Amino acid sequence: EVVLTQSPATLSVSPGEKATLSCRASQSISTNLAWYQQRPGQAPRLLIYGASTRDTGIPDRFSGSGSGTEFTLTISSLQSEDFAVYYCQQYDNWPPWTFGQGTKVEIK
Amino acid sequence: EVQLVESGGGLVQPGGSLRLSCAASELPVSSNYMSWVRQAPGKGLEWVSVINWEGNTFYADSVKGRFTTSRDNSNNTVYLQMNSLRAEDTAVYYCARILGAGIDPWGRGTPVTVSS
Repeated sequence: EVVLTQSPATLSVSPGEKATLSCRASQSISTNLAWYQQRPGQAPRLLIYGASTRDTGIPDRFSGSGSGTEFTLTISSLQSEDFAVYYCQQYDNWPPWTFGQGTKVEIK
Repeated sequence: EVQLVESGGGLVQPGGSLRLSCAASELPVSSNYMSWVRQAPGKGLEWVSVINWEGNTFYADSVKGRFTTSRDNSNNTVYLQMNSLRAEDTAVYYCARILGAGIDPWGRGTPVTVSS
């Protein structure tokens, strides 16, 4: 089973600033990684797949990078609606499909 | 509009059973990987099960032997039969489609509470 470790657990950022979230895989998963945003009380929403491809309708302030075992999600200029929990998820080696434990982006 | 709507959640005693339903619109369940993902209160996401277009099913170790996923193609609905429920099964259960790259869309979820 591929274990995904996200860091930090919580990120405090001021509106307009950049946020950088990390996800590390326990083994190489190529670029078979997705990122999700989950706002309070809502279902997760797919942001990025293939490590770096934005899903339809996702603003370009969201960008993903990485391959192998190290991945990054960057939010270039945080807007109020971006304060949420973000999860990475791998689809390279399944089942199971596994998620990281999440990073909460909160207002500083 | 592609939509997934879950139902069937509620309060059940330990050892009890519950069946969740996921009604799909504009998304044929018979030709997709349809999955259940759960989220315990204040916790992260955990994949639970999937049924593929061939009708094959796969389960997380934590639910294997207790949960069963099935589908009704005529009603375009996916089910999760949950037996021998435990307190640790308490969660919001989401229905979602697994794509070749990512999981999308997701339903709004249905809450399940296992408590005496």
